[in-house]
Amino acid sequence: NAGVTQTPKFRVLKTGQSMTLLCAQDMNHEYMYWYRQDPGMGLRLIHYSVGEGTTAKGEVPDGYNVSRLKKQNFLLGLESAAPSQTSVYFCASRFQATDGYTFGSGTRLTVV
Amino acid sequence: AQRVTQPEKLLSVFKGAPVELKCNYSYSGSPELFWYVQYSRQRLQLLLRHISRESIKGFTADLNKGETSFHLKKPFAQEEDSAMYYCALTLDSSYKLIFGSGTRLLVRP
Repeated sequence: NAGVTQTPKFRVLKTGQSMTLLCAQDMNHEYMYWYRQDPGMGLRLIHYSVGEGTTAKGEVPDGYNVSRLKKQNFLLGLESAAPSQTSVYFCASRFQATDGYTFGSGTRLTVV
Repeated sequence: AQRVTQPEKLLSVFKGAPVELKCNYSYSGSPELFWYVQYSRQRLQLLLRHISRESIKGFTADLNKGETSFHLKKPFAQEEDSAMYYCALTLDSSYKLIFGSGTRLLVRP
C-alpha cells in the first residue's frame, strides 16, 4: 500500500519553463489537495479536488493549473515557472471531509 | 476570514521539561482541529485530532472554545520530539484544512 506518491522528488527549472507534478493515491480517496510550503508561512492551499473531474481554487492558485481526470491522480501544472514558485510542494488526500490528511513526501522545486 | 495562529516560530526546551505549543484560531462555528508533525525531511503526519481526544506519543491537546485555542502539550519532552508542528482546522461545511505557520520544537539533551 503506497499511500500518496509524488513525482518527481526534486526538480530545477529555468524561468519560463513548464512542468507537471504528479500525485497518485491508491486509497480510493475522494479529496485531493496541493499545498506549497514556504519558510515562516506554513502550508498554503493551491488547488483542491472533491472528486474525479472536479477542481477548485485554493488560497494561492495564480500561476498553477490542475487536473483530476482519474480519481487516483491529481496533477499540478506550472505553465511558465517563476522564481517565486520555488517551494516544496505537498500533495495530500483524504477519504471524507472530516478525516485527517495523508500526505505525500513532497517535491522540492527550484526555479532559477 | 478563518485563521490559525501559532505565535511561536521556535520553541526550545531541555529534555524532560514540559512542552506547550500554542495554537489559536478564529472561527465562530464548530471547527475540527488537528495537529500535524513533520520530522526532518519527512512528510507531514497526523499527530492527533480533537474529535478523537486521544494521546499520541504522550501529546495531548484540548479544545477550548472560550479561548479559541487548541494548545499541544506534553509533560516530559524527548529529543525525538524535535520537529516542526502545525496546527490546522477544517470548517463545518468546507473540504479544506487551514494551517498555521508552524512551530519548530527543539529538544536539547
